[in-house]
Amino acid sequence: DVKVTQSSRYLVKRTGEKVFLECVQDMDHENMFWYRQDPGLGLRLIYFSYDVKMKEKGDIPEGYSVSREKKERFSLILESASTNQTSMYLCASSQGLAEAFFGQGTRLTVV
Amino acid sequence: AQSVSQHNHHVILSEAASLELGCNYSYGGTVNLFWYVQYPGQHLQLLLKYFSGDPLVKGIKGFEAEFIKSKFSFNLRKPSVQWSDTAEYFCAVNELGNTGFQKLVFGTGTRLLVSP
Repeated sequence: DVKVTQSSRYLVKRTGEKVFLECVQDMDHENMFWYRQDPGLGLRLIYFSYDVKMKEKGDIPEGYSVSREKKERFSLILESASTNQTSMYLCASSQGLAEAFFGQGTRLTVV
Repeated sequence: AQSVSQHNHHVILSEAASLELGCNYSYGGTVNLFWYVQYPGQHLQLLLKYFSGDPLVKGIKGFEAEFIKSKFSFNLRKPSVQWSDTAEYFCAVNELGNTGFQKLVFGTGTRLLVSP
């Protein structure tokens, strides 16, 4: 069965901390995505990657960076966490034009 | 850039009522369209998808959607909802990124509450 695993379900971090959110998929998918989900705003794309070491900015990349050193792993980095980055973060993967599969999400609170 | 509009933010229905959720997208070229559902406390999962062919597509749990190219629409329907359909529903469309690869763009979602 298809699986996208996010390392944490809940995280609480302090303002200014560097935060790493990890995502692993076991389907050998080319594409991986990071979204944030906020009430009333739906899912907004932060970054996506279509191959190892390849990435493209999404709609809201400011304050974030990503890393994809291995095909199965896609990391989202908050260089200096701020309170407006408190949100639910969703990782997804897909192959070609097929549908995306999502992880359970990480609820990040920045205090 | 592609945008996806879901006009109903909150919908409340009684069991057995019929459901139609609107979705419009902006890009006029070839598109792949999706509906995802998020049940309370669960991850997003695919309800149905349209790539080509018959514009009326059927998905899981009795849902269907109709692609109308002239209206840039992909509305979701279910003839008779159940309490277990209470969830948030997201419409999504593939968009070509700057590097020529596809990325998924989502609408803002519709929260459906079905009362028993």
